[in-house]
Amino acid sequence: EAQVTQNPRYLITVTGKKLTVTCSQNMNHEYMSWYRQDPGLGLRQIYYSMNVEVTDKGDVPEGYKVSRKEKRNFPLILESPSPNQTSLYFCASSLLAGEGVQPQHFGDGTRLSIL
Amino acid sequence: QQPVQSPQAVILREGEDAVINCSSSKALYSVHWYRQKHGEAPVFLMILLKGGEQKGHEKISASFNEKKQQSSLYLTASQLSYSGTYFCGTKGPNTNAGKSTFGDGTTLTVKP
Repeated sequence: EAQVTQNPRYLITVTGKKLTVTCSQNMNHEYMSWYRQDPGLGLRQIYYSMNVEVTDKGDVPEGYKVSRKEKRNFPLILESPSPNQTSLYFCASSLLAGEGVQPQHFGDGTRLSIL
Repeated sequence: QQPVQSPQAVILREGEDAVINCSSSKALYSVHWYRQKHGEAPVFLMILLKGGEQKGHEKISASFNEKKQQSSLYLTASQLSYSGTYFCGTKGPNTNAGKSTFGDGTTLTVKP
């Protein structure tokens, strides 16, 4: 089954304790992206990757890191989490075509609470 | 530049129609529409790539007016299953290909 898998689904942690949210897709998609969703604010892009070893900042990259060492994986790293990073996070992937990003497939989301 | 969606919320009875608008202050190259049900991931509905393009998916269709820098989503004879939050995602002609900017969403509630 074609899917984007995120882990963990839920996490409660404390300020300053490094954490990684994993994202894996099995559709051989070139493009992957991370979003955060806060109440009433829609989806805001954190980082994206057009292919292996190619990453770029979205609209809200501060406090986050990413890496793309393999095509299927795109982990999101919070080196020193703070309470303002409490949010619902989505990973997405898609094919790329001449016009750019094609329809994105989203993971089920990771709900992070930073105390 | 984040697109602006209107209305923010709409409540319908089954069988009624609704229109959701997505406007940008900058030129648009493409528009994506997604629906997100409560507690679930967003799901792709349709993509519009050319100015003036209209697409349909069952009783849900969309138009893209490049000159007006806006897109509209039309939900006809709404069903209970249409309830959810609808997001438009836009891309400008000079934007990096990977940048995705979404509106804040329109919450649609369909009542029996």
